[in-house]
Amino acid sequence: DQQVKQNSPSLSVQEGRISILNCDYTNSMFDYFLWYKKYPAEGPTFLISISSIKDKNEDGRFTVFLNKSAKHLSLHIVPSQPGDSAVYFCAAYNAGGTSYGKLTFGQGTILTVHP
Amino acid sequence: ETGVTQTPRHLVMGMTNKKSLKCEQHLGHNAMYWYKQSAKKPLELMFVYSLEERVENNSVPSRFSPECPNSSHLFLHLHTLQPEDSALYLCASSQDLGAGANVLTFGAGSRLTVL
Repeated sequence: DQQVKQNSPSLSVQEGRISILNCDYTNSMFDYFLWYKKYPAEGPTFLISISSIKDKNEDGRFTVFLNKSAKHLSLHIVPSQPGDSAVYFCAAYNAGGTSYGKLTFGQGTILTVHP
Repeated sequence: ETGVTQTPRHLVMGMTNKKSLKCEQHLGHNAMYWYKQSAKKPLELMFVYSLEERVENNSVPSRFSPECPNSSHLFLHLHTLQPEDSALYLCASSQDLGAGANVLTFGAGSRLTVL
């Protein structure tokens, strides 16, 4: 049973437009959410996170929105740049438990930003 | 060197071979992890070490044997693997377990092919 799902395997966006990457989760114990970005031949790198006590967190061009009632989060990139082309992973965590960094990841979404 | 370094980057082995993957972190972190990424699947946590003690073994078959001789080094010993074990094996580290354990620093991964 996959507890974190990214239902769009890929997304293609024009440079300068908004990229919206979506993520759904089923485990109501998750209370901390992260996005990681992965370039080819590199490991995933942390991008942005949000705690369940918030519904929005912003860092420059990147904003994560959390809708707890819908168990849904999204990552907005505005404006999108060709260098943003990468695989984006959504991950979730139970900060209140003994999860030992036991992040539960989604399958990833390949974002391609065209010049 | 900085960050998390994994060697080898690529490994091809037969089912009867014994090989090892190596991970080294130069961040002064106390926790290290092995993750597995199979094609079109989410990252799966395999093992967690904190201060050289294994704190999590996520139902991984015994043909995978981890070793953590010190807080900077982590090995994954491989023996009599199956073709379905072919995957990208990612090492990660975090400052500690607990609240900071969700922000992981990943290595670039070791791409394993089992023939």
